[in-house]
Amino acid sequence: EDQVTQSPEALRLQEGESSSLNCSYTVSGLRGLFWYRQDPGKGPEFLFTLYSAGEEKEKERLKATLTKKESFLHITAPKPEDSATYLCAVQFGGYNKLIFGAGTRLAVHP
Amino acid sequence: EPEVTQTPSHQVTQMGQEVILRCVPISNHLYFYWYRQILGQKVEFLVSFYNNEISEKSEIFDDQFSVERPDGSNFTLKIRSTKLEDSAMYFCASSRGSPDTQYFGPGTRLTVL
Repeated sequence: EDQVTQSPEALRLQEGESSSLNCSYTVSGLRGLFWYRQDPGKGPEFLFTLYSAGEEKEKERLKATLTKKESFLHITAPKPEDSATYLCAVQFGGYNKLIFGAGTRLAVHP
Repeated sequence: EPEVTQTPSHQVTQMGQEVILRCVPISNHLYFYWYRQILGQKVEFLVSFYNNEISEKSEIFDDQFSVERPDGSNFTLKIRSTKLEDSAMYFCASSRGSPDTQYFGPGTRLTVL
């Protein structure tokens, strides 16, 4: 069963049209939730780390929030350069590994 | 800003051949990882390495795979006898601690013919 589920799979926005991406998780003993950006053919680029429910992090047009069951990545007034796949990953229990979701492919059109 | 580097960027090999993928983690990091991503699929964990030994490995990481930190800066992944299904992007990552942010390299695209 999927432990990390991201929705939607794909999202098309007009430049300036704000939206949110969702990451829900079913693991026990969450130690950290991580958001990455991935451009085609590249490695995941770190965006945010969230450790506990209620935590929020913000960077430019992006804001990440965390609850006990899910995380949201809010994109405010996106630009075409924000087009990428956004990945969510969790670290839990006694494990060092990250479990990734399938990602949300974001396309922002001028 | 320190970053994880990987070489080569692209490796083409024949089925059954051995390949070594190389990584230079961020210098003050203590935990090292390999992940892979088959085209169009999720990023999958392979192995984590701490204090000169494997601390965790996935079911994918069978006897055909091995990792090594041969000196103070390099971290390698060896695949002894490549299979067609090993074709993927392989990412190295490192972190200062655990739990902590894992920083990823640019990847090596492995193509097995």
